[in-house]
Amino acid sequence: GESVGLHLPTLSVQEGDNSIINCAYSNSASDYFIWYKQESGKGPQFIIDIRSNMDKRQGQRVTVLLNKTVKHLSLQIAATQPGDSAVYFCAENNQGRDDKIIFGKGTRLHILP
Amino acid sequence: GAVVSQHPSWVICKSGTSVKIECRSLDFQATTMFWYRQFPKQSLMLMATSNEGSKATYEQGVEKDKFLINHASLTLSTLTVTSAHPEDSSFYICSAREERNQPQHFGDGTRLSIL
Repeated sequence: GESVGLHLPTLSVQEGDNSIINCAYSNSASDYFIWYKQESGKGPQFIIDIRSNMDKRQGQRVTVLLNKTVKHLSLQIAATQPGDSAVYFCAENNQGRDDKIIFGKGTRLHILP
Repeated sequence: GAVVSQHPSWVICKSGTSVKIECRSLDFQATTMFWYRQFPKQSLMLMATSNEGSKATYEQGVEKDKFLINHASLTLSTLTVTSAHPEDSSFYICSAREERNQPQHFGDGTRLSIL
């Protein structure tokens, strides 16, 4: 169903450390997953995606892990930088059916100096 | 590449007026565009899906006569909030996708404030 967020959970990470942001998705039929980064006052920015036939995908400084058994998605950011401060949303999509992207609740990443 | 432009970025208007928001794909042809609404500190809520040349498909609970969507070309979709009231104040975001198995690219949103 649709995601309704209340107050965003916050993850505080020391600059230079690795960040891990977790997401539980709702639909076992979802076959495409995306992580977005949203800075204040802006639209979501695509970070990385993964299809359901994979369990890991790496990009530049980011890695997405998919565990379909427990419907869990994670985003790992290596060597976190101040510019990584933002709200991160996971999104799920069922391309074989209604093809809608449903956003998760979001996590605010706060970088400590 | 894959730039989506949204205009205006910010609008304030009186209650009862209609407001039009434009969403343009600048460097690709968007067969599908999506409109979302986002309240402060909350996630994006899908309002409607729009395919070029077709009527938009609205999500449950979204009034199609209140939120008019037009997708007349492969690079432009518009959302018109008709007879806007203070409860319509929100951050409206569009996204566009070139083909079905490709990611959506988002505009920078329109902050709508109704007095």
